[in-house]
Amino acid sequence: AQTVTQSQPEMSVQEAETVTLSCTYDTSESDYYLFWYKQPPSRQMILVIRQEAYKQQNATENRFSVNFQKAAKSFSLKISDSQLGDAAMYFCAYRSALYGNKLVFGAGTILRVKS
Amino acid sequence: DGGITQSPKYLFRKEGQNVTLSCEQNLNHDAMYWYRQDPGQGLRLIYYSQIVNDFQKGDIAEGYSVSREKKESFPLTVTSAQKNPTAFYLCASSTLSRGAYNEQFFGPGTRLTVL
Repeated sequence: AQTVTQSQPEMSVQEAETVTLSCTYDTSESDYYLFWYKQPPSRQMILVIRQEAYKQQNATENRFSVNFQKAAKSFSLKISDSQLGDAAMYFCAYRSALYGNKLVFGAGTILRVKS
Repeated sequence: DGGITQSPKYLFRKEGQNVTLSCEQNLNHDAMYWYRQDPGQGLRLIYYSQIVNDFQKGDIAEGYSVSREKKESFPLTVTSAQKNPTAFYLCASSTLSRGAYNEQFFGPGTRLTVL
């Protein structure tokens, strides 16, 4: 079974600075997808960014980018120019490309943004 | 507006009582999912359904039951057999596409508290 590990329960960043959230996963599959979800205080889950495992190029979405290291099974999220609205719980998630559409989530990282 | 609705937002239950959480979507999605969120544990899959009148157990199905009589609806019943039901429950839906751009859309959640 696949597992996703987020080793940082909490992180803090100063407004306008850059922060990186870590995620590692374990799988025997070669084709899969990885996601970062944001859960603000409203608790509404929002998809931030996605990565296809067979693509070497790291995904970017505006201020959000990932560092995908397939051999190391690592998938970190970098947030540049942090804003107060980035404060939230961030979840890393894995989905098999072959076996259904179920998501496997990490435990989450709380990101605090200081003004 | 297309989306997923969950009701109620807050639910209180006495020990020994069954309670049903509602989830409705108008996105015309075939697949629907129920997750449980506890502090420090991320989201864990309870049940999922890919077609009407069919559903599969997730990782923590014990003490829960579901039905899928209509494509739009996927209610979750928390039975008295669930030993620790106090949690935040999230419903999601998606198409059956296997691609990375088939994201799961989440409802606003229901907070269940057992008194």
